[in-house]
Amino acid sequence: GAGVSQSPRYKVAKRGQDVALRCDPISGHVSLFWYQQALGQGPEFLTYFQNEAQLDKSGLPSDRFFAERPEGSVSTLKIQRTQQEDSAVYLCASSSTGGSSYNEQFFGPGTRLTVL
Amino acid sequence: KNQVEQSPQSLIILEGKNCTLQCNYTVSPFSNLRWYKQDTGRGPVSLTIMTFSENTKSNGRYTATLDADTKQSSLHITASQLSDSASYICVVSPHAGNNRKLIWGSGTSLAVNP
Repeated sequence: GAGVSQSPRYKVAKRGQDVALRCDPISGHVSLFWYQQALGQGPEFLTYFQNEAQLDKSGLPSDRFFAERPEGSVSTLKIQRTQQEDSAVYLCASSSTGGSSYNEQFFGPGTRLTVL
Repeated sequence: KNQVEQSPQSLIILEGKNCTLQCNYTVSPFSNLRWYKQDTGRGPVSLTIMTFSENTKSNGRYTATLDADTKQSSLHITASQLSDSASYICVVSPHAGNNRKLIWGSGTSLAVNP
């Protein structure tokens, strides 16, 4: 694939429902990031993987948020018992190598989650 | 307090005109600063990245400047096109070895009208 893909593009959930958001990074990219973007704001860091290892999850807002990347490629962000404040766009990004800040992050189109 | 402040919050210009977007930051230490363009419904796309030793960088009609002493950056768009309508986000990285801790501004929403 040419870029980062995410699915679904849109998700509407009832409060209390569990959701799973998928990210397919660029093939061969080592690093993968999840961000949460509220309307009119910049993205906020949630968590970071290097291959299959979750090296940083300091941005996850609560223990209802869980992310995994079991084989070092596709990643899933799961939100349990969704709340209205979880409504946002969830962006995934990947970069080719490890932790240097000079490495460009390539973003997917995002999943817009609306919790009713 | 947000460590990366952008102005204006929104801007409307006519096609063909130039414009300049501002970014002030208080992040310290500082490693690099980048500008992203985010079209509606899309993820951000990197336009430029500058380290503290660089004071200007161009990417086509986009020119970014950086003054690390005053902690200010600007993004100048020349001869604007309708496709330039987007949100432009300034992002600062405090640490060269850590790209998880990028600090994002809230963006400037630019509308280019015919």
